[in-house]
Amino acid sequence: QKEVEQNSGPLSVPEGAIASLNCTYSDRGSQSFFWYRQYSGKSPELIMSIYSNGDKEDGRFTAQLNKASQYVSLLIRDSQPSDSATYLCAREGGSSNTGKLIFGQGTTLQVKP
Amino acid sequence: GAGVSQSPRYKVAKRGQDVALRCDPISGHVSLFWYQQALGQGPEFLTYFQNEAQLDKSGLPSDRFFAERPEGSVSTLKIQRTQQEDSAVYLCASSFIAGGLGQPQHFGDGTRLSIL
Repeated sequence: QKEVEQNSGPLSVPEGAIASLNCTYSDRGSQSFFWYRQYSGKSPELIMSIYSNGDKEDGRFTAQLNKASQYVSLLIRDSQPSDSATYLCAREGGSSNTGKLIFGQGTTLQVKP
Repeated sequence: GAGVSQSPRYKVAKRGQDVALRCDPISGHVSLFWYQQALGQGPEFLTYFQNEAQLDKSGLPSDRFFAERPEGSVSTLKIQRTQQEDSAVYLCASSFIAGGLGQPQHFGDGTRLSIL
């Protein structure tokens, strides 16, 4: 079992719809979670961070964390073609407490006009 | 500069050659991370520096991989006797304070390494 799991997709949604991206993790001790967006050939760009159970909203993005069920999700409202990218879920991990990130393989999102 | 800068952007080397990849983190950032990203996969942790100290090198895949950050700013990742499986994008990230506190990491655009 991978430490952080994501469906690789592609997830295809029409423009204006809600895109729902999901991620599960195996380490119950995880405290900090991040969603990064990565366009092809570019660096990962931080979209959201979440540390507490519940929802966290920022503009069109909402991150949801459920530590009991060990999943994190990202909702993108009013999806735009410019949202088409790979979305990487990551948790902060490592026994050495360095802050290193453990990533899932990423979900490719396609928003069709 | 405003962001994390990596050079070169692309590197092609023949199998067996040594390569050096450079990372210039955001000024004042204490933490520096190196990750390896294979095609279609998420980044995988290689090593971590807090200032000039390499505190975690558990992700380095073999003793052919070596990283340093001698003055606590610029870092170099060196790969000796490169193999085809070393072909990947090498990403550098930095964060403002010491790791383990939920601090966001800022990534450079990476170096795409191709071993022929």
